Amino acid sequence: DIQMTQSPSSLSASVGDRVTITCRASQSISSSLNWYQQKPGNAPKLLIYAASSLQNGVPSRFSGGGSGTDFTLTINSLQPEDFATYYCQQSSTTLTFGGGTKVEI
Amino acid sequence: QLQLQESGPGLVKPSETLSLTCTVSGDSISSSFYYWGWIRQPPGKGLEWIGTTYYGGSTYYNPSLQSRVTISVDTSKNQFSLKLTSVTAADTAVYYCARDYDFWSGPARRFDCWGRGTLVAVSS
Repeated sequence: DIQMTQSPSSLSASVGDRVTITCRASQSISSSLNWYQQKPGNAPKLLIYAASSLQNGVPSRFSGGGSGTDFTLTINSLQPEDFATYYCQQSSTTLTFGGGTKVEI
Repeated sequence: QLQLQESGPGLVKPSETLSLTCTVSGDSISSSFYYWGWIRQPPGKGLEWIGTTYYGGSTYYNPSLQSRVTISVDTSKNQFSLKLTSVTAADTAVYYCARDYDFWSGPARRFDCWGRGTLVAVSS
């Protein structure tokens, strides 16, 4: 299986900050990388697919980048509703998820 | 608007079979465009893909669970189901069903719509 490693595992930020989360794959996955947001007690919500495509209805302050093994999720001007846990997921082979990054105040 | 809803027992005894159903509303499970998946999340932990199915009968399982998992579709009820045999405490998790969108597209494959999840505890 392809292992997905996210960093950091948690971070503290303030409203208005720019936040970047990194996801690294154990082997090349081209652009087969999705990002999800999960709030406590809720299901994950798709934010970004194919590494950089914004899912319909997701605010434009979210953006994704990268290819091969290294990927980023960037949140520009962090909003109060963005405090959550973020997961990356690869769809190149047997689907696997990263361990998550918790964004806290 | 597409909606998915998981249902099933919230408590299963060790060594028994976990059975869950996902009811799809707002679209037909028989649409040729869509695949349907199960994902689980142990309390306080990350996400694990269990498997994906297509209304025509094709199924794809996580190799780590393949020997214990069966996913099936009931088009007459617009539902798909999960069975996990010989459960242990390690199978305690919130189980989600989701649409596995663009299954054959490669990079664009993603879970774009999720149910709210149901907690299943394995305990005697």
